[in-house]
Amino acid sequence: EAGVTQSPTHLIKTRGQQVTLRCSPISGHTSVYWYQQALGLGLQFLLWYDEGEERNRGNFPPRFSGRQFPNYSSELNVNALELEDSALYLCASSFSRSSYNEQFFGPGTRLTVL
Amino acid sequence: AQSVTQLGSHVSVSEGALVLLRCNYSSSVPPYLFWYVQYPNQGLQLLLKYTTGATLVKGINGFEAEFKKSETSFHLTKPSAHMSDAAEYFCAVSDLKAAGNKLTFGGGTRVLVKP
Repeated sequence: EAGVTQSPTHLIKTRGQQVTLRCSPISGHTSVYWYQQALGLGLQFLLWYDEGEERNRGNFPPRFSGRQFPNYSSELNVNALELEDSALYLCASSFSRSSYNEQFFGPGTRLTVL
Repeated sequence: AQSVTQLGSHVSVSEGALVLLRCNYSSSVPPYLFWYVQYPNQGLQLLLKYTTGATLVKGINGFEAEFKKSETSFHLTKPSAHMSDAAEYFCAVSDLKAAGNKLTFGGGTRVLVKP
């Protein structure tokens, strides 16, 4: 069974640009989560999508947004990139919105903002 | 707001020695608890989780953790370290009362295994 996949694996952008990261959950999983792992800041919760809707949002500015498609895949969009957006962006999926279900993580997309 | 504290950002152990990684959480109610491992340039892999029931939880790769409500702790142990255990380990909680199903992570502990 395929795990969570993310694309691209690496990305280099300049300040002010916009970026789109993509995530495909494990087959049968309806919930998708996005986390940011920035150097020195640890793993921070970004967004949670379930059944096509945004269910929860972390403490990030509105220029971080996303969506979930009918096939449960998801995109994370970051507008007006800033240097501090450089990080590993991890996507995770779970079988349902129940908090006891573990989240399965993808390999991440490493974003570098110059 | 809940928080997770992992004592020690770096731990060095000899091969064959005990691995002990500490995790304490703050939460108004006992949360669900998880340990994840992250190998270099990879995502996170679940080692084990505690939801309800037996407080001693066994996971993959010989790891286990014990939930102690009175100490608000969920320390991770492995009796005998192997070179392949070199990685970063994250403790996480999922708050049952929180709005939204998100994980709150500790700062991580990087484990170095010496031959």
